[in-house]
Amino acid sequence: DAKTTQPNSMESNEEEPVHLPCNHSTISGTDYIHWYRQLPSQGPEYVIHGLTSNVNNRMASLAIAEDRKSSTLILHRATLRDAAVYYCILRDGNKAGNMLTFGGGTRLMVKP
Amino acid sequence: AAGVIQSPRHLIKEKRETATLKCYPIPRHDTVYWYQQGPGQDPQFLISFYEKMQSDKGSIPDRFSAQQFSDYHSELNMSSLELGDSALYFCASSLEPNLGMNTEAFFGQGTRLTVV
Repeated sequence: DAKTTQPNSMESNEEEPVHLPCNHSTISGTDYIHWYRQLPSQGPEYVIHGLTSNVNNRMASLAIAEDRKSSTLILHRATLRDAAVYYCILRDGNKAGNMLTFGGGTRLMVKP
Repeated sequence: AAGVIQSPRHLIKEKRETATLKCYPIPRHDTVYWYQQGPGQDPQFLISFYEKMQSDKGSIPDRFSAQQFSDYHSELNMSSLELGDSALYFCASSLEPNLGMNTEAFFGQGTRLTVV
């Protein structure tokens, strides 16, 4: 699986937007970009995923660079509940392999 | 909405004992994954099953085994437990085996195993 690089930690103020970057310079044409987050003492939780176009859902937005070598997860208004470790994960859309590989996520801290 | 159910939520075992963790996927989900998360670490993939067959294997010790049953629930069997097996064990389920496409994995709340 292609490697992703994320900042170790980021800090945000409550009710402000948060932009979480992810670099994936070796991404292949069939890799989907997935984001999961893990709140303290809970299992990972799906956030959003995309291939080429920007994506929006009720939780967040995903902005994908035109060359697909980087992406940004956008939380429009951070709340205290958004404090978690955020993982950017690449998944090959043509591969039958199943697992998500977690590693090197960003710990987001939200200040009241 | 129904979620992934794991049991037990907490388990304390002594060294060299055996443990069985159970996972009940979301109804109609056909794929189950097991992850191990040690203190301060990222979740590590152990093994997965699709339609009751093992589909992928990660860093699962030989002392561990798992299977998926006809009702799609899964069990992780752990024998000769070691202190280092103390961790959170997460189960996840999805509707298709290929997460690269338009499927997401739903995780349970985990089983906290403590080996003393």
